Amino acid sequence: ETGVTQTPRHLVMGMTNKKSLKCEQHLGHNAMYWYKQSAKKPLELMFVYNFKEQTENNSVPSRFSPECPNSSHLFLHLHTLQPEDSALYLCASSLDRNRETQYFGPGTRLLVL
Amino acid sequence: KQEVTQIPAALSVPEGENLVLNCSFTDSAIYNLQWFRQDPGKGLTSLLLIQSSQREQTSGRLNASLDKSSGRSTLYIAASQPGDSATYLCAVGRANFGNEKLTFGTGTRLTIIP
Repeated sequence: ETGVTQTPRHLVMGMTNKKSLKCEQHLGHNAMYWYKQSAKKPLELMFVYNFKEQTENNSVPSRFSPECPNSSHLFLHLHTLQPEDSALYLCASSLDRNRETQYFGPGTRLLVL
Repeated sequence: KQEVTQIPAALSVPEGENLVLNCSFTDSAIYNLQWFRQDPGKGLTSLLLIQSSQREQTSGRLNASLDKSSGRSTLYIAASQPGDSATYLCAVGRANFGNEKLTFGTGTRLTIIP
């Protein structure tokens, strides 16, 4: 058990839908991350939050909108996605954003039709 | 821009054999290097973390080495077991950014044949 949970585990949505991914960590960590894992590609860092403040936006399209209401919860709001956005979206957390290793959730498998 | 390569993409070995997974990176200015394991339908689990000043780390049957000058790391798995079957990912932390900005390889999918 990693202590990082993600819901839903699977999501199918149309290009005009709006949906949200949720991540929750029970580890008392202060930094949280969103990653995208596409087939045959390396994990791509999308966003980093530290103490609820966004510290990194890795040139992510605006159709992905993150929200971090507190250090334990992280959301990824999705709207007007494209089929190429289909991927596994992984959330991670770490005690701090510099030295400590990241703990990953199981991911949300997203399919955009 | 840092690039991380893992070859081969897939590897099958009989149970009980020792094996080596390879990772190479293009920029030697790294903060650290980590090896992760990913099981199907699950997230990543950190196996070993090597700081840039270290040469190797060991945990049980796993040993990871780091050679910054040549831009290479290896993960050695001794006496392989079917439970070792998974995808193994190498990730490099960028100097001055710690673990915040990791660059991942595409992984090696390992199958241990009983």
